[in-house]
Amino acid sequence: GAVVSQHPSWVICKSGTSVKIECRSLDFQATTMFWYRQFPKQSLMLMATSNEGSKATYEQGVEKDKFLINHASLTLSTLTVTSAHPEDSSFYICSARDPGTSYNEQFFGPGTRLTVL
Amino acid sequence: GQNIDQPTEMTATEGAIVQINCTYQTSGFNGLFWYQQHAGEAPTFLSYNVLDGLEEKGRFSSFLSRSKGYSYLLLKELQMKDSASYLCAVVDSNYQLIWGAGTKLIIKP
Repeated sequence: GAVVSQHPSWVICKSGTSVKIECRSLDFQATTMFWYRQFPKQSLMLMATSNEGSKATYEQGVEKDKFLINHASLTLSTLTVTSAHPEDSSFYICSARDPGTSYNEQFFGPGTRLTVL
Repeated sequence: GQNIDQPTEMTATEGAIVQINCTYQTSGFNGLFWYQQHAGEAPTFLSYNVLDGLEEKGRFSSFLSRSKGYSYLLLKELQMKDSASYLCAVVDSNYQLIWGAGTKLIIKP
């Protein structure tokens, strides 16, 4: 199946700093990528939908000025957590929709575990 | 509103069979996914159903009834490595994935 990578796989930062997470589709072009957040023992929560070349669509309750998303190419989307605080500590997962599959399956990256001290 | 229900946790014995149910109420329906997620890892694809009936893939099978808003994932010949969370997700009319909270499956020897 299609492969999606994420970098870094884990990051620890101080409160108030910004963290950038990269999501890449390695063997297909993804016009649409998704960013999820998952707190312990909870399900995935969609944060935003990222379309190549246009502004991201944020879910209700997600601050777009705090979670900056850039989808500058068909294989790369980035999520920047600005002025991170301890409550932003979570598991962030991206996925990319492969238009080549018959049902537009989403392929997930391995996730990034963010810990804000 | 949109709602996906699955049991929070299930326990089964190695070598046995377990069925994980998922019921849904969504605005539109364009298919249902089952994903497996091990602790600390991202979800991995297991199955996709868009038509009624049973789809079999090795030890795993998935069933869908659109009229009942119901699906199940059937795992046979359980192995210890099957201990994981199993997520049910429905594609709604906007082609967005609506996620269930997941079912934590514990396999005992």
